[in-house]
Amino acid sequence: AQTVTQSQPEMSVQEAETVTLSCTYDTSESDYYLFWYKQPPSRQMILVIRQEAYKQQNATENRFSVNFQKAAKSFSLKISDSQLGDAAMYFCAYLYGQDDKIIFGKGTRLHILP
Amino acid sequence: DTGVSQDPRHKITKRGQNVTFRCDPISEHNRLYWYRQTLGQGPEFLTYFQNEAQLEKSRLLSDRFSAERPKGSFSTLEIQRTEQGDSAMYLCASSLPRDRGISEQYFGPGTRLTVT
Repeated sequence: AQTVTQSQPEMSVQEAETVTLSCTYDTSESDYYLFWYKQPPSRQMILVIRQEAYKQQNATENRFSVNFQKAAKSFSLKISDSQLGDAAMYFCAYLYGQDDKIIFGKGTRLHILP
Repeated sequence: DTGVSQDPRHKITKRGQNVTFRCDPISEHNRLYWYRQTLGQGPEFLTYFQNEAQLEKSRLLSDRFSAERPKGSFSTLEIQRTEQGDSAMYLCASSLPRDRGISEQYFGPGTRLTVT
């Protein structure tokens, strides 16, 4: 069975600093996708970044980048130059199958310290 | 606003009552998903539709839950004889079919259900 594990329930980072959120997953599939979603307090979940499993190159979106280690089944998110607006729950997620079902981790609550 | 919308945003009900939630997806999206998110957890898949057809239901979806998507547009999720354990945020997401590559799921704001 596919599982997604986020071992850091909460993290804090000073504004303008860099923080890395960890995620590991378990799967026997070869074709899948990985995501990081952001869920601000009382607001909608939005996609931060995605990674196709068949791509070796790590995805980057502005201040957000991932470290995808397929053999180790690890998918961490690095946020550079942290901003107050980055404060949110971050969910690591795994998508598989033609139905595009998503399995989410339990989330990491990120606090930004001014 | 052309995003996914959900109604109501909050619902408080007494145990044993029936509740119904509505989701309006992005208009051109033919896939619609329902997830449940309890406190301190990530969302869990409940069911999904492609057009009007309900193609899969999670084992989390007990017989008290039913979902419909008439005419492949909006969707409703009904919970009959609510229990306190049904208290959660119910999220809806929509997407285009995956012809090539990945199709992003766009999430609505959710309906927070509290069963007293």
